[in-house]
Parts: sequence; structure tokens; C-alpha cells
Amino acid sequence: AQSVSQHNHHVILSEAASLELGCNYSYGGTVNLFWYVQYPGQHLQLLLKYFSGDPLVKGIKGFEAEFIKSKFSFNLRKPSVQWSDTAEYFCAVSSGNTGKLIFGQGTTLQVKP
Amino acid sequence: NAGVTQTPKFRILKIGQSMTLQCTQDMNHNYMYWYRQDPGMGLKLIYYSVGAGITDKGEVPNGYNVSRSTTEDFPLRLELAAPSQTSVYFCASSETSGGAIEQFFGPGTRLTVL
Repeated sequence: AQSVSQHNHHVILSEAASLELGCNYSYGGTVNLFWYVQYPGQHLQLLLKYFSGDPLVKGIKGFEAEFIKSKFSFNLRKPSVQWSDTAEYFCAVSSGNTGKLIFGQGTTLQVKP
Repeated sequence: NAGVTQTPKFRILKIGQSMTLQCTQDMNHNYMYWYRQDPGMGLKLIYYSVGAGITDKGEVPNGYNVSRSTTEDFPLRLELAAPSQTSVYFCASSETSGGAIEQFFGPGTRLTVL
């Protein structure tokens, strides 16, 4: 069965620090990869996604992620975080044509001003 | 567009009671999903639907039922509520399912079963 693992459950950073959130998945076939974010009091929303092509994908608000097939990883990065990036971040995977998402446990990011 | 809306926002149930969580989307999406989110566990798929009249089980369907009589609505029914169903429930929809298609989420329903 597919699974998604996020390495960090709770991350605390100061503003301007760099961010990298780890995500690994277990599935041998073709996958679609996503990062969703949930800001306090808001809906889950898509940050970025990978389907095919360039393994380095860029999303909203300066976020990017790199798909490394050999490592089954899809880590999220941002060079300089802001207080407004405080949120919960979810990595997710889908495969085939069902669209069903398998989510990681989530990482709570707290950015101190 | 309102997107995906869910009602109620909060609910407290007693053990054994039943209720229906409502989900409506106004984007004319064919695909709709119900997830539950438990603390520290991420979201898990309960049921999904690929169109009106078609539903299928996800990872954690036990204790729940769904129906999809229209494209817009995808209610989730809890029969005989149990404390293990205390969770936050999210409804989502997408245009199609192929490729990296974005799912649009509702605001969630926080359910407590006592």
C-alpha cells in the first residue's frame, strides 16, 4: 500500500531562515506529488504539484520542491521564510486515475518574527 | 464562486446518535471526496465519488455512508456515532482525476462524539 512520510512534525524557525521539509513516499509506479498548506483558520490549499517534466517545481509564495525519483522524495523548500508562512504543510501522493490522495502526517511550521 | 462549502462547522454528538455532514460545490466538478483528519495523522480518505450516482470506499469507510444524487452535493452520513469518529472532516472536489489535478477543499466540520 502507498504511504507518505513527513520527517518533521513541528518546525520552529526565525524569519529569514531557510526552510526544508522532508517528504518520502512508498510506491513503485508513476505518482503525482503535491504539497498542500493550511494557514490558520483557512482551507487547505495547493502550494505546488508535480506530474511530469522538470523535477524542480515552483509554487506560490516562493516555495519550490524537488522530485528525486531515486530517493522517492519530494522535499519542500523556501530560501527565506516569513511570519506569514506559519501554517501546517501536507505532502500528498496520488497514482493512477482515481485522484485519491494519500497524505503525510503534516508538519506544523511556526515562524517567529 | 463559493467553492466547496460544508455544514455544520462544529457539532457535538452523543454516542449512538446519527448525523449528516453536508458538502456542496459550485464548480461543476465530477469528482468529490471525504477525508477525516485526526491529530498528527494527516488526512485519510473515507469515500469518494466520480460522478452522480457513483461512489466508492476509501481507506477508512467503516461507520460512514455517502450518496451522490447530484453533481453538486456529496453528503456524508454517520450512523451510530462512536468516540473514534471524533475528528475534523474535510470535503474536496476536483474537475477530473487524471494527472496532478488540484483538489479544492472545504473549510471542514469539527465533530466531537461524547
